[in-house]
Amino acid sequence: NAGVTQTPKFRILKIGQSMTLQCTQDMNHNYMYWYRQDPGMGLKLIYYSVGAGITDKGEVPNGYNVSRSTTEDFPLRLELAAPSQTSVYFCASSLKRGRIEDTQYFGPGTRLTVL
Amino acid sequence: GEDVEQSLFLSVREGDSSVINCTYTDSSSTYLYWYKQEPGAGLQLLTYIFSNMDMKQDQRLTVLLNKKDKHLSLRIADTQTGDSAIYFCAEKRGSGGSYIPTFGRGTSLIVHP
Repeated sequence: NAGVTQTPKFRILKIGQSMTLQCTQDMNHNYMYWYRQDPGMGLKLIYYSVGAGITDKGEVPNGYNVSRSTTEDFPLRLELAAPSQTSVYFCASSLKRGRIEDTQYFGPGTRLTVL
Repeated sequence: GEDVEQSLFLSVREGDSSVINCTYTDSSSTYLYWYKQEPGAGLQLLTYIFSNMDMKQDQRLTVLLNKKDKHLSLRIADTQTGDSAIYFCAEKRGSGGSYIPTFGRGTSLIVHP
């Protein structure tokens, strides 16, 4: 298993540009998450999904959109990039079976700079 | 203030024990986690503890939970230079629902010879 993979690893955007951060997992996990990590800070949840076709907002969703058309993929879309979105973005996934939820597995991250 | 608090830095000598502390505020937290983040990498789960446990040991790692004081600690015995990383404490919010963790800001552990 490759686990959780993210592309690209690095990206520089100009203000107002848009882009999609890709996330794929091959563990058949039903839950997927997007976090951002600002320097010296913990992770903040942007969006999450409990299964294909279902998404929900996290703590800091403004300026982002997500979709979950398949179990494997959970792309994060930035429509109008702003300097405040400069951060490292982590995708994660987990498996929930009934009331039991496995822990999260994290991707390696995407470092985004908006200039 | 932050819901999960950690000190930002810890410096230890190689071979000594490291103790990283964390306090949290949600008394309904059911799981508490320790993650390790090496430079340029994602988070890696080190260990976790259920809220009905006081202690969990896993090789060089010992987790202590004081639920009354909402205090969690991670002890690393015989700390090595490879243990240098940022360590995040996280708590699971809510009960029976989705895993929506709240993370602390992380403690940078520096191990020097």
